[in-house]
Amino acid sequence: DVQIVASGGGLVQPGGSLRLSCVASGFTFSDHWMHWVRQLPGEGLAWVAHIDSDGRRTNYAGSVKGRFTISRDSDKNTVYLQMNSLRAEDTAVYYCARGERGFDKLLDSWGQGTLVTVSS
Amino acid sequence: DIVMTQSPDSLAVSLGERATINCKSSQSILYGSNNEYALAWYQQKPRQPPKLLIYWTSTRESGVPDRFSCSGSGTDFTLTIASLQAEDVAVYYCQQYYTTPVTFGQGTRVEIK
Repeated sequence: DVQIVASGGGLVQPGGSLRLSCVASGFTFSDHWMHWVRQLPGEGLAWVAHIDSDGRRTNYAGSVKGRFTISRDSDKNTVYLQMNSLRAEDTAVYYCARGERGFDKLLDSWGQGTLVTVSS
Repeated sequence: DIVMTQSPDSLAVSLGERATINCKSSQSILYGSNNEYALAWYQQKPRQPPKLLIYWTSTRESGVPDRFSCSGSGTDFTLTIASLQAEDVAVYYCQQYYTTPVTFGQGTRVEIK
């Protein structure tokens, strides 16, 4: 079975940094793009970033570009989201999701999410 | 960015009745290589991550009951729950995966009347 487990969330002060991790299992990790999607409290879904299957190409939402970095480690079946210069408006549940093989921006499996709270 | 707009924001339907959710894209999401619309629907139940329900406008994900269906063309799409069950209470999101950034509708909350 496909399993995607995100971790690393917590409380951080404005301007601070946090690194989220997402461990995947049950599928060939190197075949799939991986995405981060966030959900602000009581709000809808907003795509944050993706990384292609071999880690060469990344893309970011405008609101996080220059502050967040997505990366992956195929040896550990893990994707990361390094978040710097955090702002209150980054407070959200962050989900890690798998892109469908072949149609990479179709998010066919999601992890449980990890809560990031940016507050002083 | 492609803007996805859902309507209504919420609806209450009696058990066994039909629920209909609309989704409109701000531009075409027709995928040229297969002539299908790059539109997906997700279901999110409380305290759970979203779950893929339907993609390529009308293809149900494995295990999704056939009371869920979707149709549409151009820039207008509809998700229909033919006979609402208690377990269908959730927020439903449409998403375009035609281009980056992928974008979601704002969500439609479905409740039991």
